[in-house]
Amino acid sequence: AQSVAQPEDQVNVAEGNPLTVKCTYSVSGNPYLFWYVQYPNRGLQFLLKYITGDNLVKGSYGFEAEFNKSQTSFHLKKPSALVSDSALYFCAVSGGDSSYKLIFGSGTRLLVRP
Amino acid sequence: ETGVTQTPRHLVMGMTNKKSLKCEQHLGHNAMYWYKQSAKKPLELMFVYSLEERVENNSVPSRFSPECPNSSHLFLHLHTLQPEDSALYLCASSQDRGILGQRTDTQYFGPGTRLTVL
Repeated sequence: AQSVAQPEDQVNVAEGNPLTVKCTYSVSGNPYLFWYVQYPNRGLQFLLKYITGDNLVKGSYGFEAEFNKSQTSFHLKKPSALVSDSALYFCAVSGGDSSYKLIFGSGTRLLVRP
Repeated sequence: ETGVTQTPRHLVMGMTNKKSLKCEQHLGHNAMYWYKQSAKKPLELMFVYSLEERVENNSVPSRFSPECPNSSHLFLHLHTLQPEDSALYLCASSQDRGILGQRTDTQYFGPGTRLTVL
């Protein structure tokens, strides 16, 4: 069965420092991988996705993610965090025998302090 | 968020009420989804419609009844809900590639309806 794990409930980082939000996945075959962000009282906003090609994917708002097949990971990164990046981040995967589904992780709350 | 709109944004209802949530997508997609987001729980997929046909129903109680009259509109009809149904209900849409694509591509979400059941 497909699954996604976000091992950290919360990540704290100082403004200007690099940030990483971790995601690992389990899916048969080649995965499609996604990152979404959710601000308070809002829906999920698409940040970036990996389908094929270059393992480093660049997305919105300066975020990027690196696909690592051997470690089955898709960590979200940003070189310099902003206070406005504080939000809830979700990793998701589609693939295997559940083609219509996006399987979401439990979410990681990012808190960027000034 | 203007690509997928949801109304109402907030809804308070009693357990005996009947209400409906509405979702509309302006992206030309052919698949639409209902998700439930509760505090401290992962997003739960409730229903999937592709080309206006329901293709997945994740064992959702019958007090939730979806309707997809066309590829742009999706409704969730609610009746005799329980307090534990209080949650944020999210609608999403995507371009379903069908047999050829085999995978769902990017799903775009609406802002959600915050439902409180008293």
